[in-house]
Amino acid sequence: GENVEQHPSTLSVQEGDSAVIKCTYSDSASNYFPWYKQELGKRPQLIIDIRSNVGEKKDQRIAVTLNKTAKHFSLHITETQPEDSAVYFCAASRGNNNDMRFGAGTRLTVKP
Amino acid sequence: EAGVVQSPRYKIIEKKQPVAFWCNPISGHNTLYWYLQNLGQGPELLIRYENEEAVDDSQLPKDRFSAERLKGVDSTLKIQPAELGDSAVYLCASSFSTPHEQFFGPGTRLTVL
Repeated sequence: GENVEQHPSTLSVQEGDSAVIKCTYSDSASNYFPWYKQELGKRPQLIIDIRSNVGEKKDQRIAVTLNKTAKHFSLHITETQPEDSAVYFCAASRGNNNDMRFGAGTRLTVKP
Repeated sequence: EAGVVQSPRYKIIEKKQPVAFWCNPISGHNTLYWYLQNLGQGPELLIRYENEEAVDDSQLPKDRFSAERLKGVDSTLKIQPAELGDSAVYLCASSFSTPHEQFFGPGTRLTVL
């Protein structure tokens, strides 16, 4: 089955700086890669996703890049704000929600 | 539109007791998932339903865990008997069969004493 590894486990940045979180996956058949944000005590919420037919997707301050050859994808947050502080999870699946696997999460802290 | 609803939000039981969690997905979502989330970890899939059919339950510890989604709408996850190691947050999520975004419920935090 799919195995997703996520790095770093914790990340601390100064407000206004950029943050990058990286994930690798093992199943070359995976074609859907979502990122979820989970604030303390709350449910995970989708913030951005990418499918394997594109290499990059951007939504305001958030972007995701995908390298299918190397089987890794990354989340980029620019101009970070304190409200970006949360745990971020990457995931990978083959589509139709088969075998979706989550990374262990990255705890991002944005210091004002 | 209401999101995914779960109850109870918190449950404290003694080991060897049974416990049940309930989930009502977003209206119209055919696919329902139960996940287990340990502290500091990502969600781990326990079981996935397509309508009323369990199509992926390979990670469900079947000796003590069971689940049902009889009418293809709401679902119940049961643990009997509970063990200390079952303490975690149990998340329910739902989605249309395609595309793939999963919407999560608030979770049930289980503490087994």
